[in-house]
Amino acid sequence: GAVVSQHPSRVICKSGTSVKIECRSLDFQATTMFWYRQFPKQSLMLMATSNEGSKATYEQGVEKDKFLINHASLTLSTLTVTSAHPEDSSFYICSARGGVSYEQYFGPGTRLTVT
Amino acid sequence: EDKVVQSPLSLVVHEGDTVTLNCSYEVTNFRSLLWYKQEKKAPTFLFMLTSSGIEKKSGRLSSILDKKELFSILNITATQTGDSAVYLCAVDHYNAGNNRKLIWGLGTSLAVNP
Repeated sequence: GAVVSQHPSRVICKSGTSVKIECRSLDFQATTMFWYRQFPKQSLMLMATSNEGSKATYEQGVEKDKFLINHASLTLSTLTVTSAHPEDSSFYICSARGGVSYEQYFGPGTRLTVT
Repeated sequence: EDKVVQSPLSLVVHEGDTVTLNCSYEVTNFRSLLWYKQEKKAPTFLFMLTSSGIEKKSGRLSSILDKKELFSILNITATQTGDSAVYLCAVDHYNAGNNRKLIWGLGTSLAVNP
């Protein structure tokens, strides 16, 4: 099956700093990548959808200047949390879709803790 | 408003029991319904259902979709402690802006006790 990786798996940063999370599709070309966040005991919340080579589409209520998404190639998308605050602490998950399947394949997630 | 509702929200059973998880939906421009299992990390894919009445099976898990009544069930037979997880249902559709998206349910938290 298709494999999606995320890096790092866990990151702790200080308030006010920026953090970059990478999402890679390892064995297929991801025409579309999705970024989600998930709070404890809650479902996945879609933050944005990115298509390779174009600007990301953000969901209502998600600040695009705070959560910068870049999808520069068919195998890599990055999410940068700028000027992180403790309330940004969450589990961030990317997923990718592409190839012959319409399924979304999820990365293993990144646990962000902002102190 | 597009929505996906899962029930029950949580369930505790004993090993060997059979469980049925429910997912009902109201969405426009339905494409498919997907089931995922989430343990401590990101969701892992279980099934994708697009046609009514065709059961999909994988080991002790099976799922079926009813597009007339707008729901799906996920069955797990002879449950094991390793089945303990949150089971998420999502519906793939085109929204009002003709963008393709997944609408997620809140999940069913299943705990299987030895």
